Amino acid sequence: AQSVTQLGSHVSVSEGALVLLRCNYSSSVPPYLFWYVQYPNQGLQLLLKYTSAATLVKGINGFEAEFKKSETSFHLTKPSAHMSDAAEYFCAVSDLGGGATNKLIFGTGTLLAVQP
Amino acid sequence: DTGVSQDPRHKITKRGQNVTFRCDPISEHNRLYWYRQTLGQGPEFLTYFQNEAQLEKSRLLSDRFSAERPKGSFSTLEIQRTEQGDSAMYLCASSLVALDTQYFGPGTRLTVL
Repeated sequence: AQSVTQLGSHVSVSEGALVLLRCNYSSSVPPYLFWYVQYPNQGLQLLLKYTSAATLVKGINGFEAEFKKSETSFHLTKPSAHMSDAAEYFCAVSDLGGGATNKLIFGTGTLLAVQP
Repeated sequence: DTGVSQDPRHKITKRGQNVTFRCDPISEHNRLYWYRQTLGQGPEFLTYFQNEAQLEKSRLLSDRFSAERPKGSFSTLEIQRTEQGDSAMYLCASSLVALDTQYFGPGTRLTVL
């Protein structure tokens, strides 16, 4: 069964500093991996996704993530944080099991705070 | 393409009452998913539809919960005899095909008093 683990429920960075949000996955098959962002009282917006093509995936708002099979990781980075990046970030893996549900299995989320 | 919409955005009800939520997916999206998100947690899968057929239900979906997608377009999620533990954000998502990106609606926040 697929699962994801997000290390660090809260991360705080200064404006302009590097953002690094960690995600490790477990999957018995080659995974499809996603990062979503959620602003307060809103739904989830897709930042980027990995679907077995290039291992370095670029997303919206300057975010990118690198798929590392050897480390079973899919960490999210952004070179320079902006105040508007403050939100909750969720890593997810797609359930590609025999039922082909394609349901998403989410981590517990990381709340990013950006200090001025 | 107006995105996934959900109605209502907020619902406050008393324990024991029935509530119904509606989700309108992106036009022509065949797949529709319902998730539940409690405070401090990631969304958890409840059920999904391929067109009008409900193909999988999570064990989280007790017999008090029922979902429909009668014509393969909008979907409703009904909770009967609500309990305080049902308080959560209910999210709907749709995708064009099985492995396509899921696009989420803004959610319906349910508070059971």
